[in-house]
Amino acid sequence: EAEVAQSPRYKITEKSQAVAFWCDPISGHATLYWYRQILGQGPELLVQFQDESVVDDSQLPKDRFSAERLKGVDSTLKIQPAELGDSAMYLCASSHLGGTQYFGPGTRLLVL
Amino acid sequence: DQQVKQNSPSLSVQEGRISILNCDYTNSMFDYFLWYKKYPAEGPTFLISISSIKDKNEDGRFTVFLNKSAKHLSLHIVPSQPGDSAVYFCAASETNSGNTPLVFGKGTRLSVIA
Repeated sequence: EAEVAQSPRYKITEKSQAVAFWCDPISGHATLYWYRQILGQGPELLVQFQDESVVDDSQLPKDRFSAERLKGVDSTLKIQPAELGDSAMYLCASSHLGGTQYFGPGTRLLVL
Repeated sequence: DQQVKQNSPSLSVQEGRISILNCDYTNSMFDYFLWYKKYPAEGPTFLISISSIKDKNEDGRFTVFLNKSAKHLSLHIVPSQPGDSAVYFCAASETNSGNTPLVFGKGTRLSVIA
């Protein structure tokens, strides 16, 4: 069964450092999403891609966060510099256009 | 302002009995609803979905009911099993507006007691 891959699974960093997360969606899925889940809350969208284009990044803190999907397949989410409040689970999901979203295992980030 | 609300943070049910998880929404533009199950340190796993043109969808032990007039949906699990113990998220989207992202509730932690 095809799955969304994410790495790393866990990341501990100090504040002001840079971190990067990687996502490989299910093959053939043109739409890719990055969500952030804070403990005790539901996931919230950070950025949505359709192929290599950003569809929605209205909730992405652009002063420190960036995301790219250069070839329309895998994607990277970067935070620079990391802040204490960035500690959360970062989830990647993919779907066909208009289809059900399938999530990867997530990257748990801890900023010290 | 939360558009998707799960007002019960937790629920305990005995093995073999029915689990009912509830979800309310405020955005009348939502037309597609999903339930995800999440174990600790893992990503959400898709369980079941329902379109606004239906009022019920069933898949094995899982049934989702949608009441559009009340803006309410529920997930029924019958019979409940210990392996069902997880956090359940209700999510909604406006598919008629294109490929829109999901809006999630805060989740309900289900504990199935053997």
